[in-house]
Amino acid sequence: KAGVTQTPRYLIKTRGQQVTLSCSPISGHRSVSWYQQTPGQGLQFLFEYFSETQRNKGNFPGRFSGRQFSNSRSEMNVSTLELGDSALYLCASSRDGALSTDTQYFGPGTRLTVL
Amino acid sequence: ILNVEQSPQSLHVQEGDSTNFTCSFPSSNFYALHWYRWETAKSPEALFVMTLNGDEKKKGRISATLNTKEGYSYLYIKGSQPEDSATYLCALLITGGGNKLTFGTGTQLKVEL
Repeated sequence: KAGVTQTPRYLIKTRGQQVTLSCSPISGHRSVSWYQQTPGQGLQFLFEYFSETQRNKGNFPGRFSGRQFSNSRSEMNVSTLELGDSALYLCASSRDGALSTDTQYFGPGTRLTVL
Repeated sequence: ILNVEQSPQSLHVQEGDSTNFTCSFPSSNFYALHWYRWETAKSPEALFVMTLNGDEKKKGRISATLNTKEGYSYLYIKGSQPEDSATYLCALLITGGGNKLTFGTGTQLKVEL
């Protein structure tokens, strides 16, 4: 079956702009989680959506938000971009959720560069 | 802030060597520990989910053990091959005041011919 897909794969923005990233989960998975990977902080959990509701949230400012649609596709939005938001953004899907013992399947990521 | 530590940070071994690395974590409110393999230019791939003290999991030449009382997990690779070269990440899931997921910084393994 098709894996997790993310679009776009690469993105360049300037400070102050906003950006929207998209993630399509594996068919049948209701949970989509988002992660940020930076050289300094490693991989960090942003938030998780399950059946169109945000179920868990990491320690990120309110500039980071997301939503999930009825087909389980999810979008992540970052407003008022800062240089420190430059990172690889990964999403992962699972049946039961990120914060469980369920296996997560990761997408290829979106590389965001903020200039 | 939870401290999930992995050691060593990087490791170079020869093909055929067996190797192991450690994930250390605070043992309170433990719920589960995930291990992932992340190859360059690919997505992280789930290896194991471990939940019970004394758990041992195996997948081919890779195995893992868990000690929740002392707060550590070992990942072993038997007879390393170049295709094992990757960063190995552990992620701790705790409960209490809402579930929290914290990743270690990873062990970068390079297997040389």
